[in-house]
Amino acid sequence: GAVVSQHPSWVICKSGTSVKIECRSLDFQATTMFWYRQFPKQSLMLMATSNEGSKATYEQGVEKDKFLINHASLTLSTLTVTSAHPEDSSFYICSARDYAGGSYNEQFFGPGTRLTVL
Amino acid sequence: LAKTTQPISMDSYEGQEVNITCSHNNIATNDYITWYQQFPSQGPRFIIQGYKTKVTNEVASLFIPADRKSSTLSLPRVSLSDTAVYYCLVGDMNTGFQKLVFGTGTRLLVSP
Repeated sequence: GAVVSQHPSWVICKSGTSVKIECRSLDFQATTMFWYRQFPKQSLMLMATSNEGSKATYEQGVEKDKFLINHASLTLSTLTVTSAHPEDSSFYICSARDYAGGSYNEQFFGPGTRLTVL
Repeated sequence: LAKTTQPISMDSYEGQEVNITCSHNNIATNDYITWYQQFPSQGPRFIIQGYKTKVTNEVASLFIPADRKSSTLSLPRVSLSDTAVYYCLVGDMNTGFQKLVFGTGTRLLVSP
């Protein structure tokens, strides 16, 4: 199946710094990617929909100036957590849907990025 | 977006068949039903997808009644490595921008 990668797999940063997380679709083009956040023992929470060549669509309650999303190409979306604070520590997961054979297939998820803000 | 309801947790033993039922009363005509598996500190992994009746692959079966208001994921002969969280989601597969909203999932614990 299609592969979605994330980089880095984990990152530790100091409070107040910004962190960029990359999401790549390795063997398919994705006009739309999705970003999720997951706290321990909880479900995945959709943060935003990343659209290639246009602005991201954020879910209610997610600060767009805090979580900057850029989808510059059909295979890369980035999430930048600006001025990170300890409460931003979480597991961030991206996903993308492959379009093949005239229809969309299942959504493929990246391995996730563990962010720890000290 | 259709909301899904699943049991919070289930316990089983190795070798047993496990059936996890998901309720999605407000499923739309174009919605498909998809199940994902997630291990700790990993992204969800696709298990199976269906629209109606029964779908089977090498790891699971998915049973969907005629009214499509529920579905049952069946895992035959589970092993310890099947301990994970299982999520049921519904969404329109005809649109690439269809976002998937995760419910609570079912935490399956398989014991020896």
